[in-house]
Amino acid sequence: KAGVTQTPRYLIKTRGQQVTLSCSPISGHRSVSWYQQTPGQGLQFLFEYFSETQRNKGNFPGRFSGRQFSNSRSEMNVSTLELGDSALYLCASSLLGTPYEQYFGPGTRLTVT
Amino acid sequence: KNEVEQSPQNLTAQEGEFITINCSYSVGISALHWLQQHPGGGIVSLFMLSSGKKKHGRLIATINIQEKHSSLHITASHPRDSAVYICAVEADSGGSNYKLTFGKGTLLTVNP
Repeated sequence: KAGVTQTPRYLIKTRGQQVTLSCSPISGHRSVSWYQQTPGQGLQFLFEYFSETQRNKGNFPGRFSGRQFSNSRSEMNVSTLELGDSALYLCASSLLGTPYEQYFGPGTRLTVT
Repeated sequence: KNEVEQSPQNLTAQEGEFITINCSYSVGISALHWLQQHPGGGIVSLFMLSSGKKKHGRLIATINIQEKHSSLHITASHPRDSAVYICAVEADSGGSNYKLTFGKGTLLTVNP
C-alpha cells in the first residue's frame, strides 16, 4: 500500500507570491491534516479535512487555505507569501480521524526569499 | 490554552542505556501521541494512548491522566534510535477531528 505522498518536495518562492502544495493520502483514508514545522515554533496544526469539508482549523491567518477533493487528495494554498512562511509543510492522513492512527508524508520544504 | 512541555530538550546516551523522555500538558485531553522524526523530516507515529501503558519492541509509553504526564522509554538504546521525539496531545473536544498540539521535541543522540 503506497504511503502518503506530497508534491513538490522542495519549493523556492519569492515574497508576495502564492504557492499550492499537494497531498495524496493513503488509499481509503478520508481525513487529511496539514501541519507547519519551523525551527522557532516547532510543529503547528494548520487544518484538517474530512470528506471535502474543513473539520478543524488552527491559529493561522486567512492567507493559509486548503481544500479536499472527492478522491481525498488535498491541496494547501498560501497567498502573499512572507519570509516567515518558510517551513516544512507536512500532511498526514488517517482513516476517519482520531482515534485512528495518522500517517505522515515526507513534507514539502518551502523557502521564501 | 493547552501547553505541552517536553524534557529534556537534548539527550545524549551511550548504546545500551535506558532512556526516558517526559511530556507534561496543561488541559484535559482525549489522547496523547508520541512521534519520531529522523533527519530529513519524515515523521512516524510511535504510540497513541489515552490511558495506561503501551509497548512496541524496545519502546514503552506510559500516561498518567490525573497528573497530566506521559513518558516514553527506550530500553537497550541503539544508534538507530537517534532522532527527535515529539509529544503531541489532542484536546478533549468530544469529536473525531484531529487537532494536535505539539511539544518542542527532544533530540536524542545515541553513541556507539
